[in-house]
Amino acid sequence: QQQVKQSPQSLIVQKGGISIINCAYENTAFDYFPWYQQFPGKGPALLIAIRPDVSEKKEGRFTISFNKSAKQFSLHIMDSQPGDSATYFCAASVQGGKLIFGQGTELSVKP
Amino acid sequence: KAGVTQTPRYLIKTRGQQVTLSCSPISGHRSVSWYQQTPGQGLQFLFEYFSETQRNKGNFPGRFSGRQFSNSRSEMNVSTLELGDSALYLCASSLDGGTGNRQYFGPGTRLTVT
Repeated sequence: QQQVKQSPQSLIVQKGGISIINCAYENTAFDYFPWYQQFPGKGPALLIAIRPDVSEKKEGRFTISFNKSAKQFSLHIMDSQPGDSATYFCAASVQGGKLIFGQGTELSVKP
Repeated sequence: KAGVTQTPRYLIKTRGQQVTLSCSPISGHRSVSWYQQTPGQGLQFLFEYFSETQRNKGNFPGRFSGRQFSNSRSEMNVSTLELGDSALYLCASSLDGGTGNRQYFGPGTRLTVT
């Protein structure tokens, strides 16, 4: 019940396209859902996060869509760029410090 | 502000040895969490410390332990190393680990056990 399932494992998108990564969870006690971006040799960096009382949050080219009833949330990257090529992780937590991560999606944006 | 720093960045140890990794959080941050990252298991939570007390613990054996000092710096220790302990160990800090607190990750310590 503590799992967060992420798909797809890998994704190839053309420059300018939309990248979509999906996550699903079971634990309804989760109250915070962040997305992290990780480049090789670096630690994960927070991209955007959402609370379950909000259905969508947008920051620049990044949007989280949240469906509480389906227990799913997704990351949309609009106008994807080669510099967005990285591994993306969704995560969830209950009251703070312990993040449960999805398995990660390796995104490649082709020029 | 300086980011989260971890030392050492790379470490090679032999099976059976023990290792201590260090993490210095962002100034003013009082919560430190540790994660293990491997290709097979992904990112897994080890433990969280706040005000020198372990507040949360993941599903790792007792060989994995940690502590936090009064200046919020944290160390984690792995005793009796096994080959499967080879991983990137990441430390993250946040203000107080509360809901919605942004966790800032360090670059990690790459541990190789031979």
